[in-house]
Amino acid sequence: GESVGLHLPTLSVQEGDNSIINCAYSNSASDYFIWYKQESGKGPQFIIDIRSNMDKRQGQRVTVLLNKTVKHLSLQIAATQPGDSAVYFCAENTRSQGNLIFGKGTKLSVKP
Amino acid sequence: DTGVSQNPRHKITKRGQNVTFRCDPISEHNRLYWYRQTLGQGPEFLTYFQNEAQLEKSRLLSDRFSAERPKGSFSTLEIQRTEQGDSAMYLCASSPRDWKQYFGPGTRLTVT
Repeated sequence: GESVGLHLPTLSVQEGDNSIINCAYSNSASDYFIWYKQESGKGPQFIIDIRSNMDKRQGQRVTVLLNKTVKHLSLQIAATQPGDSAVYFCAENTRSQGNLIFGKGTKLSVKP
Repeated sequence: DTGVSQNPRHKITKRGQNVTFRCDPISEHNRLYWYRQTLGQGPEFLTYFQNEAQLEKSRLLSDRFSAERPKGSFSTLEIQRTEQGDSAMYLCASSPRDWKQYFGPGTRLTVT
């Protein structure tokens, strides 16, 4: 399948370790943020979202942290598995805008 | 399968030909979005609909691009007089009344 990970920052982790993927967003007016996972040849898959009135949100094995002061978003994946290998995108949105604006993406590679 | 579906999954066309892609959103999702994704990049917003109304189309890449959602259900994206630079993955997403967008598998367009 075609890779969506060409020329992207790459994070390589050992299976079982925790992963942290970072994202800097651009618009201080953004009030909604999403993390997506994209495997080669597939569409982006929703992982977790967070609104700007929150600093942290947890899901199953994933946590998103939002720092509005420095416009920074991070995705933490606990006990990373080979199936987590993919490209991860953060995206931001404002209510007046409707559409998502995507960041550049980070390729996560999990070594067995 | 109750996810977003897109057809065709792959399209190869000759430069100058017209192409049309179809997106079927998740049932009862009133918002539908089109994005384009090129290798190594995040999805780039093109246009979106709320029910049958096209609320944003200024991001369509040129007047060769048009989209419709005639009955507020499925949508089509048409590219007229295709150019080699149109080669990309075309993604459709839908969302309910909140802002969480669910993506389809995409249509891979190759213009020769």
